[in-house]
Amino acid sequence: AQKITQTQPGMFVQEKEAVTLDCTYDTSDPSYGLFWYKQPSSGEMIFLIYQGSYDQQNATEGRYSLNFQKARKSANLVISASQLGDSAMYFCAMREVGSGNQFYFGTGTSLTVIP
Amino acid sequence: NAGVMQNPRHLVRRRGQEARLRCSPMKGHSHVYWYRQLPEEGLKFMVYLQKENIIDESGMPKERFSAEFPKEGPSILRIQQVVRGDSAAYFCASSLSQEETQYFGPGTRLLVL
Repeated sequence: AQKITQTQPGMFVQEKEAVTLDCTYDTSDPSYGLFWYKQPSSGEMIFLIYQGSYDQQNATEGRYSLNFQKARKSANLVISASQLGDSAMYFCAMREVGSGNQFYFGTGTSLTVIP
Repeated sequence: NAGVMQNPRHLVRRRGQEARLRCSPMKGHSHVYWYRQLPEEGLKFMVYLQKENIIDESGMPKERFSAEFPKEGPSILRIQQVVRGDSAAYFCASSLSQEETQYFGPGTRLLVL
């Protein structure tokens, strides 16, 4: 079974609007971390936001917030007030503490911001 | 404070040659991870090293691939006798400890002709 599932291969959003990128995960480990990374066309992987499995509140980092629904095993990324520079691939990743801390990545969502 | 450095950024090899990819972790980081990204796919874990030790190599192909992280110098991912299927982007990440966030380098894009 896939550890991380991103069901949206491509998304479009109007500049200045908010967009939600979906991510669901599968784990039986009670202790895990969820991450979102951005990969622009230049190719580097940029860390955006982190949510721990025991965190009570949703993580926020500037215009990024993580909608963490533990019972549903989802960790959607919300980008508010989209900017043209947000156009990129976005990857959801999970680290299970019990499995050596390797990351499992989803297949990514390509986000295009329309002016 | 420099981030994770990888070189070369692009590498072209002919089938049968060797490829050496280098990764210098962020200052103070002693945990290094290598990932491979095939076209149109997410990153796949290959190996996790801590200074002079391989901690987890469960994602490494059994043949032709090896990794090291010596006491001094960068971590090296070595691919012997490359084949066209090895063409991919190889990313290195580093972290302060096992539990901390991994920060990625810019990647090395390997093309095997």
